[in-house]
Amino acid sequence: DGGITQSPKYLFRKEGQNVTLSCEQNLNHDAMYWYRQDPGQGLRLIYYSQIVNDFQKGDIAEGYSVSREKKESFPLTVTSAQKNPTAFYLCASSMGTSGSRNEQFFGPGTRLTVL
Amino acid sequence: AQKITQTQPGMFVQEKEAVTLDCTYDTSDPSYGLFWYKQPSSGEMIFLIYQGSYDQQNATEGRYSLNFQKARKSANLVISASQLGDSAMYFCAMREGGRDDKIIFGKGTRLHILP
Repeated sequence: DGGITQSPKYLFRKEGQNVTLSCEQNLNHDAMYWYRQDPGQGLRLIYYSQIVNDFQKGDIAEGYSVSREKKESFPLTVTSAQKNPTAFYLCASSMGTSGSRNEQFFGPGTRLTVL
Repeated sequence: AQKITQTQPGMFVQEKEAVTLDCTYDTSDPSYGLFWYKQPSSGEMIFLIYQGSYDQQNATEGRYSLNFQKARKSANLVISASQLGDSAMYFCAMREGGRDDKIIFGKGTRLHILP
């Protein structure tokens, strides 16, 4: 089955620790994205990547880092510099071609809680 | 200024009735795309429907239709014959043409279907 997987589903972190969230897709999509969702809010873009070995900051990139070494994978690291990391994190992918519908497909999300 | 505005934080609708979820958008770009996503309590975002700014007809996907009023910058989602499984958060989103692949999300409307 084609889709996007995120792991883990729930993650607990102590203050001051870095933590990495996994995102893998087998849809052969070029573009991948990370969003943060706080309770009762919409999605805010953290980072996105339109091609392997390239990525751009979104609206709230401070305190986060990413890599895109493989087309299928786009891990997100939440660093200790992120002041309020407790949130729901969603990964998405899209074909990445302009001029088309190009909807984003989402993974099931990771709920991160800082203790 | 907000690019996507959803003015209804919550709605209660009787099962089998039709429901309209409001969305207004703000852009000066003549080329853009509008999306609606559903987010059940499980957290995953599910793509529902897409409308391109140059599409002549309103988009429809099964029980979902998009009431696109370009002059009013309005893109309301209409769900016909609502079902209990329609209870979820609904997000309106926009991608502006000529840009990279970023999508901007509204804050969402929580829909409750009553038996």
